Amino acid sequence: DAGVIQSPRHEVTEMGQEVTLRCKPISGHDYLFWYRQTMMRGLELLIYFNNNVPIDDSGMPEDRFSAKMPNASFSTLKIQPSEPRDSAVYFCASSSGYSYNEQFFGPGTRLTVL
Amino acid sequence: GIQVEQSPPDLILQEGANSTLRCNFSDSVNNLQWFHQNPWGQLINLFYIPSGTKQNGRLSATTVATERYSLLYISSSQTTDSGVYFCAVELGNDMRFGAGTRLTVKP
Repeated sequence: DAGVIQSPRHEVTEMGQEVTLRCKPISGHDYLFWYRQTMMRGLELLIYFNNNVPIDDSGMPEDRFSAKMPNASFSTLKIQPSEPRDSAVYFCASSSGYSYNEQFFGPGTRLTVL
Repeated sequence: GIQVEQSPPDLILQEGANSTLRCNFSDSVNNLQWFHQNPWGQLINLFYIPSGTKQNGRLSATTVATERYSLLYISSSQTTDSGVYFCAVELGNDMRFGAGTRLTVKP
């Protein structure tokens, strides 16, 4: 298996633009997580899905953030409109079984909002 | 919300040395995990350890849930152990990360 795949690896955009980050989990995993990492706030869990259904989105910072999982092999995290404070590395992770058990992380997407 | 504190914030070791990293948390938790982020940014799950002790090669972890702390032991450290070690605790649906311990292992 190729592991968790994220795209793009790097994204530079201007304030106000829409940004879409993509994640392909490991085949067979039924949990998917989106995290954000910044120097100021460290690592934060944004949202996670179980069997494509969002379970907890309390970590999503604002209404500008939305996440979807239309099927078991694909998820998106969208920011609209983007702001400079959204600049961060966004990680996707997947796991099998219980929610936080043995998560496997993707390489991350480094987002820069100018 | 729950507070997570890791110590020490930074640690420099000579290759071959042993080390202990600590994670304190302010409330009873359902789960606790240890992660390693290598110098290239890749995150790896090390242990899922809400209580008890687990070992994986040179690494082991112990969580004493009643006393609200967890320890990560690294024996015979190698340069590839360098990076940042995070603990993360779960209470209900809330997951909180500590600020991490940055480990540098020198050859």
